[in-house]
Amino acid sequence: QVQLQESGPGLVKPSQTLSLTCTVSGGSISSGSYYWSWIRQPAGKGLEWIGRIYTSGSTNYNPSLKSRVTISVDTSKNQFSLKLSSVTAADTAVYYCARGYSSSWYVWGQGTLVTVSS
Amino acid sequence: QSALTQPPSASGSPGQSVTISCTGTSSDVGGYNYVSWYQQHPGKAPKLMIYEVSKRPSGVPDRFSGSKSGNTASLTVSGLQAEDEADYYCSSYAGSNNFHVVFGGGTKLTVL
Repeated sequence: QVQLQESGPGLVKPSQTLSLTCTVSGGSISSGSYYWSWIRQPAGKGLEWIGRIYTSGSTNYNPSLKSRVTISVDTSKNQFSLKLSSVTAADTAVYYCARGYSSSWYVWGQGTLVTVSS
Repeated sequence: QSALTQPPSASGSPGQSVTISCTGTSSDVGGYNYVSWYQQHPGKAPKLMIYEVSKRPSGVPDRFSGSKSGNTASLTVSGLQAEDEADYYCSSYAGSNNFHVVFGGGTKLTVL
């Protein structure tokens, strides 16, 4: 059974870059026709899709975040990563990594809280 | 403000049915059959309950069903059980030139 685990700093200073990694276990990130996504949720609020990557390296990003987001994949480490630049307090949220087909996500990580504060 | 509109709350007694709506536009819900529904318990990750408007992933009880009419999608939970109390989020494909997904603001379902 595939499992996902997010990791990275829980505190990031304003204007800096948020960096998170999602480690895939129980299966290869390269197997199957899956898309690997990042989704976030501010405390007490709804979900927001950030972006996704296919194992070929092709990416799609939320238009509202596109200028600040980079998602990459490292198949040798069975990981994919998120970088979000020029963060502000509005980027404080629980960040989830997830696996899915097209526009539905079947497997989720447990989520990691990232707080943007000086 | 979320792209898709959901009622903030819904409720029902055990055994009853409740329907949660998700209203979008012709550019998302109305334009594609790619509406999904997620259940989220407090402090937990979302769980996929419905995909492609009305399909259930393996393991999801058939008490959960989805439908769509025009720009509004709906999730119906029949035979309400205590464990159904959770937040429910809809999402829809919204891309035309580029892949994009939008979510609703969520509905808190209370089992009375």
